[in-house]
Amino acid sequence: AQKVTQAQTEISVVEKEDVTLDCVYETRDTTYYLFWYKQPPSGELVFLIRRNSFDEQNEISGRYSWNFQKSTSSFNFTITASQVVDSAVYFCALSVTDKLIFGTGTRLQVFP
Amino acid sequence: DVKVTQSSRYLVKRTGEKVFLECVQDMDHENMFWYRQDPGLGLRLIYFSYDVKMKEKGDIPEGYSVSREKKERFSLILESASTNQTSMYLCASSLGEVRETQYFGPGTRLLVL
Repeated sequence: AQKVTQAQTEISVVEKEDVTLDCVYETRDTTYYLFWYKQPPSGELVFLIRRNSFDEQNEISGRYSWNFQKSTSSFNFTITASQVVDSAVYFCALSVTDKLIFGTGTRLQVFP
Repeated sequence: DVKVTQSSRYLVKRTGEKVFLECVQDMDHENMFWYRQDPGLGLRLIYFSYDVKMKEKGDIPEGYSVSREKKERFSLILESASTNQTSMYLCASSLGEVRETQYFGPGTRLLVL
């Protein structure tokens, strides 16, 4: 069975702090993709990153970085120097077939 | 630029009404999806479609049906709305390849009274 766990329900930080959102996944398949989406208060899910199971290189995009570790089945997301605009719910998701399996999300609140 | 639109942002209906939620994408994507989102449960797949006139049940299809008469449009139908269908409904689309990125619409917040 496939499963995604985001153990952090809510995180609060002050602007300019670094914050890491955890994501742990379960699958027996060797080929899969992992995703992160951002859902701001407006409601729309915004795609952030897609990573396949054969590429364990960490990725950095501006203030965002992702740490993929197959050994621990984790795909963690770090925001460096957080800003108020980063306040949102963040979802990690796993795709083995055409379906996306979502975690329950982590609500990040960044206070000024 | 990818674009998925949903017919309504907010909708209020009464128990027993037939409800139509419309989703349109302009990216020529083969796959389209309907999810519902509830607090603490994340997103759950209701139905999806690989092609025109094709549909597949997701994880929670009970009480819903879908229609895909044109490639760009995927409709979710609540035949007889019930209060437990009050939720946020999200539509998504993706290319036909397996495990492609899904792009989401803005969502429809449905309240059934």
